Amino acid sequence: AQSVTQPDIHITVSEGASLELRCNYSYGATPYLFWYVQSPGQGLQLLLKYFSGDTLVQGIKGFEAEFKRSQSSFNLRKPSVHWSDAAEYFCAVGAQTGANNLFFGTGTRLTVIP
Amino acid sequence: ETGVTQSPTHLIKTRGQQVTLRCSSQSGHNTVSWYQQALGQGPQFIFQYYREEENGRGNFPPRFSGLQFPNYSSELNVNALELDDSALYLCASSSIPGQGALGEQYFGPGTRLTVT
Repeated sequence: AQSVTQPDIHITVSEGASLELRCNYSYGATPYLFWYVQSPGQGLQLLLKYFSGDTLVQGIKGFEAEFKRSQSSFNLRKPSVHWSDAAEYFCAVGAQTGANNLFFGTGTRLTVIP
Repeated sequence: ETGVTQSPTHLIKTRGQQVTLRCSSQSGHNTVSWYQQALGQGPQFIFQYYREEENGRGNFPPRFSGLQFPNYSSELNVNALELDDSALYLCASSSIPGQGALGEQYFGPGTRLTVT
């Protein structure tokens, strides 16, 4: 069965510092992987996705993520965090066949200190 | 291009009542998926509709049902509401039912349902 683990419930970083949010997945085949961001009172916005090919993917707002098959990980990174990055971040895995339902992790809440 | 819209924004219901939530998909999208996001949790897949038919369902009881209309808008109906149904209900649309670049899902802002 598919599952996604985001081990960090809450992370606090200073503005300008680097960021890494962890995501581990369990899936029986090569999955599609996603990172979404959710600001308070908002829906989910797609930051980036991995389908195949280059394991380092670039997204919007300066985010990137690296797919590591050997570690079943898809960690999200940003070299310099901005105050506007404060939000909830969700990692998700999707099946390559069938309905495109996504399995989400429980999320990591990011607080940015000025 | 119009994004995904949902109505109402907020809703308060009493246990045992029934509720209908609505979603208008993004222009050109024929697939709608519904998710339930409980407080402090990630979204959980309820079901997906493609061309007016259910096309996949998560682990939710039959009192969660849906419809998709010819214009691809959708409704989520929940009967016999329980306290645990309190959550943010998210709708997402895509241009195809499967995954891949075209299957990228665009989420609406959600409907916050409170059951008392």
